[in-house]
Formats: sequence, structure tokens, C-alpha cells
Amino acid sequence: EPEVTQTPSHQVTQMGQEVILRCVPISNHLYFYWYRQILGQKVEFLVSFYNNEISEKSEIFDDQFSVERPDGSNFTLKIRSTKLEDSAMYFCASSERLPPSYEQYFGPGTRLTVT
Amino acid sequence: AQSVTQLGSHVSVSEGALVLLRCNYSSSVPPYLFWYVQYPNQGLQLLLKYTTGATLVKGINGFEAEFKKSETSFHLTKPSAHMSDAAEYFCAVSVTSNTGKLIFGQGTTLQVKP
Repeated sequence: EPEVTQTPSHQVTQMGQEVILRCVPISNHLYFYWYRQILGQKVEFLVSFYNNEISEKSEIFDDQFSVERPDGSNFTLKIRSTKLEDSAMYFCASSERLPPSYEQYFGPGTRLTVT
Repeated sequence: AQSVTQLGSHVSVSEGALVLLRCNYSSSVPPYLFWYVQYPNQGLQLLLKYTTGATLVKGINGFEAEFKKSETSFHLTKPSAHMSDAAEYFCAVSVTSNTGKLIFGQGTTLQVKP
């Protein structure tokens, strides 16, 4: 069964460093998402991406964040200068068509630790 | 604005007992509601969803949920818990938008005791 994959599973970085989290969505999917979950808190929406552009972003998704689909298969989340409060589990999701009629499929997540 | 509240961050049941995980939502428009499950080291997996129509929704692994508009609730139930049901469960609502973003509750960890 097709699945969303994410790499790395765990990333440790120092404050101020740039990180890139990678996701490979399911191949025929058109809608892409990033969510994050700070330990002990809710899963929060960060950004949605469709047709090679951001369709919606949350207030969390400030200028330090960017997303890209560089080669038609990968979907990346870049944090330019990490802060301690960026430590969280980051989930990528994709959907074949516009939800909610179509399910969002989630990856296993990348745990980002900023020291 | 839409929001989701899950009552109880940890629920413990005995194997064979009824599972009841509570979810209440706030929405100014008819909501789309979801339950996701996360097993250790895996992604979120859709258990079931309510969009329109029948208010009792059946999902995978014997779970079901009932949409009660008057109570703004979407509680998840399973008649008889199995050890394999131990996981984290998330309730979510879809915002009425053209992007399909989900708003999640805080999650409930289900422990199943032998």
C-alpha cells in the first residue's frame, strides 16, 4: 500500500541552524500539508500546498519557514534559523484530491530537537 | 473559529471492556469530523470520518463514532478492547475552506490492560 515517508526520523540541530525536513508524498496526490506537534500539545496545522504554491498557512508559519516541491516527488519544509521552540514532531500529509471527501495520509513524522 | 476538545489525555481499560474516547467540537458551520490513530513510530491513520448523512459512522478495527449535533460531540467507541488498540487517538475537525486543513484535539492515549 502506498505511504507517505519522511526523513530523517529524528533531527538534532543547534539553535540558529537551518534544517530541511523531507517528505515523499504518495505519487498521485495533489494536496500537501505540514503539521507539527510540540510535546504534550495539540497537532497544529502549519501550511497547505497545491499547484506549486502555498494555499494556506497558519500564523505559526512565519518568514523563518518555507516549503518547496523541488522535483515533483519530494516535499520539503525548511526552517531557516531554528529556535528552541521549534522543537516538535513534524508531520507531512498528502491527499489525492481536496479533503475532506478525500483522506489525508500522514507520514510517521520527523522529531526535531533544537538545542 | 473551529476547535476540538478531547476529554482525558489518558484512558485505561481492561481487555474486553468498552472503549469510550470523548471528543467535543466547536464550529459555526456543519463540521466534518475525523478520528485518527497513531501507533508507536507510525503516522496518523484515519479510523473513521463523518461528512454528511448517517450520524453513526463505522470505521476500521471495530471502532465507531456518533455525531451528535445537539451535544457538539463525536465520541469514539469500541465494544471490546483488544491489546492491539493501545495507541494515541486524535479527534479532528475540517475547517470549511478550500484547503482541507485539519484542526486537532490534544489526543488521548489509550492503555489496554490484560
